[in-house]
Amino acid sequence: GQNIDQPTEMTATEGAIVQINCTYQTSGFNGLFWYQQHAGEAPTFLSYNVLDGLEEKGRFSSFLSRSKGYSYLLLKELQMKDSASYLCAVRDSNYQLIWGAGTKLIIKP
Amino acid sequence: ETGVTQTPRHLVMGMTNKKSLKCEQHLGHNAMYWYKQSAKKPLELMFVYSLEERVENNSVPSRFSPECPNSSHLFLHLHTLQPEDSALYLCASSQETGSGANVLTFGAGSRLTVL
Repeated sequence: GQNIDQPTEMTATEGAIVQINCTYQTSGFNGLFWYQQHAGEAPTFLSYNVLDGLEEKGRFSSFLSRSKGYSYLLLKELQMKDSASYLCAVRDSNYQLIWGAGTKLIIKP
Repeated sequence: ETGVTQTPRHLVMGMTNKKSLKCEQHLGHNAMYWYKQSAKKPLELMFVYSLEERVENNSVPSRFSPECPNSSHLFLHLHTLQPEDSALYLCASSQETGSGANVLTFGAGSRLTVL
């Protein structure tokens, strides 16, 4: 079966760096997405990786290794507003999106 | 403002009620989606419409009935629901359903409670 694994919850300190991991086993691969979802709000797109390597976008970076079935989202200079759930999703060979259950990130002052 | 608007934001209904969820997008997208989001579970795709035609129905019970009258509007009609159907129902849209980045734009969801 197809599966996306990510930690259920993580805690980090304001101003610090946190890495949220995502591992996947899917039928084929056509890209990996990260979305951010604040409580009670819509998920919003953060990043898209289809080739191996690091994609940097301001304080957020996303890394992909297709051979390892692994991605991470790196958040730097954490702010309180970064407290949210982070959803990892992989598009398989049929262009279906397979979703992880999300990682709830708690930022403490 | 995400560009995708869902109403109502909250809905409480009995098991014998009939209600509808509405979704509207003003992004000029060609594809619209219904997802179910339950606590600590992955998003579950329910229905996909591309150019107003249903292209996916992921074995969803018939008590959920979608309707897409045009490319900007999507409805989810609810009838004889069960308590386990209580969840957040998310609508999303995208430029297309196939290849490319095809980023989804989500609405804020309709929180449904079935008593």
